[in-house]
Amino acid sequence: AQTIHQWPVAEIKAVGSPLSLGCTIKGKSSPNLYWYWQATGGTLQQLFYSITVGQVESVVQLNLSASRPKDDQFILSTEKLLLSHSGFYLCAWSLGDSDYTFGSGTRLLVI
Amino acid sequence: GDSVTQTEGLVTLTKGLPVMLNCTYQTTYSPFLFWYVQHLNEAPKLLLKSSTDNKRTEHQGFYATLHKSSSSFHLQKSSVQLSDSALYFCALTEQGTGSKLSFGKGAKLTVSP
Repeated sequence: AQTIHQWPVAEIKAVGSPLSLGCTIKGKSSPNLYWYWQATGGTLQQLFYSITVGQVESVVQLNLSASRPKDDQFILSTEKLLLSHSGFYLCAWSLGDSDYTFGSGTRLLVI
Repeated sequence: GDSVTQTEGLVTLTKGLPVMLNCTYQTTYSPFLFWYVQHLNEAPKLLLKSSTDNKRTEHQGFYATLHKSSSSFHLQKSSVQLSDSALYFCALTEQGTGSKLSFGKGAKLTVSP
């Protein structure tokens, strides 16, 4: 069975500090991968997507970057956090257009 | 570009009453529509999905029918339960692309005893 694992579960970081969030998918070969951001009680905003290793497309950057170093791994990062980066970060995968499965997410608080 | 409109921000109902959450969409391509449910402090989970015009899809007592003529995919349940309290998101992707899943603003359903 396929599994999606996000790390860390939660972070409290200072403004201006770097950030790296990770996502690993097991049990699926060459999935499409996505990063979403959600403010508390808000909608889900797609940030990036990747359909293959080494290729990442930006939808909304928000001073963040993403990379896909391996087929099963998707990384979200920034060198300098802003207060506005606080929220819930969700990784998702799909095969094609019919099933999108989300990870359990990372809660980020920037202070 | 693609867009999804959900008109109800907050919905409060008493247990046992019916609910309908509206979802309309805009796309120039063949659509695939989804309903996701997100309980407090959890990730969204798929509730329903459809790309077939005029066919009702059901899951866990919830149902929806994609109507391409009116660009709608409204979510309904005949009798809500306390456990249905959650955020409900309608989402859209284009068939055959898998590159972007666009979400509506969401509807927060609160069910009281």
